[in-house]
Amino acid sequence: NAGVTQTPKFQVLKTGQSMTLQCAQDMNHNSMYWYRQDPGMGLRLIYYSASEGTTDKGEVPNGYNVSRLNKREFSLRLESAAPSQTSVYFCASSGSRDRGWFNQPQHFGDGTRLSIL
Amino acid sequence: TQLLEQSPQFLSIQEGENLTVYCNSSSVFSSLQWYRQEPGEGPVLLVTVVTGGEVKKLKRLTFQFGDARKDSSLHITAAQPGDTGLYLCAGAYSGGSNYKLTFGKGTLLTVNP
Repeated sequence: NAGVTQTPKFQVLKTGQSMTLQCAQDMNHNSMYWYRQDPGMGLRLIYYSASEGTTDKGEVPNGYNVSRLNKREFSLRLESAAPSQTSVYFCASSGSRDRGWFNQPQHFGDGTRLSIL
Repeated sequence: TQLLEQSPQFLSIQEGENLTVYCNSSSVFSSLQWYRQEPGEGPVLLVTVVTGGEVKKLKRLTFQFGDARKDSSLHITAAQPGDTGLYLCAGAYSGGSNYKLTFGKGTLLTVNP
């Protein structure tokens, strides 16, 4: 029972390098999310996809792009990594039944710890 | 901007003590969720409260949603070392065509044996 799977678990990049964080869920959820978690800042939403085929900016989208590849997969891309993007990145998914996607409980992966030198 | 203020930010107590964590906002939320996160893992949902004044219990944890749906509290009775973790509240907001789920910054709880 995998739930939400994120790869890689750890990554070190140099400033200016690019990389894609992968996320897949096996719960047949419609909605998927990318967050970053920094000390003292809590969880901040980067991008979300309320349903397959749609993506929207969250609170801190600058420097990131996303792709909702299909219902299961939602990737996050850093085109030119900066030290300010050093963080722990979490992918989450939720159903979107009655009362809207934003009211549904979120199921999180275990995170990708990204360091940018 | 719909902000959630969590307090306290840090809490260190002895096993057997009681504690309360607060989550406050100036906005009305359609629902509020509480999560617990352990080191190296993602947050895990504890409970969702939807109705103003609602109280939910999960063993020694009691969750309450304020009557006006602007605040919530988590009370732990007789805390145990296994309760140690980061507790996060998240409020769901909808206003017109604007939909949002906002997380508080969390309360880091340490329960010492």
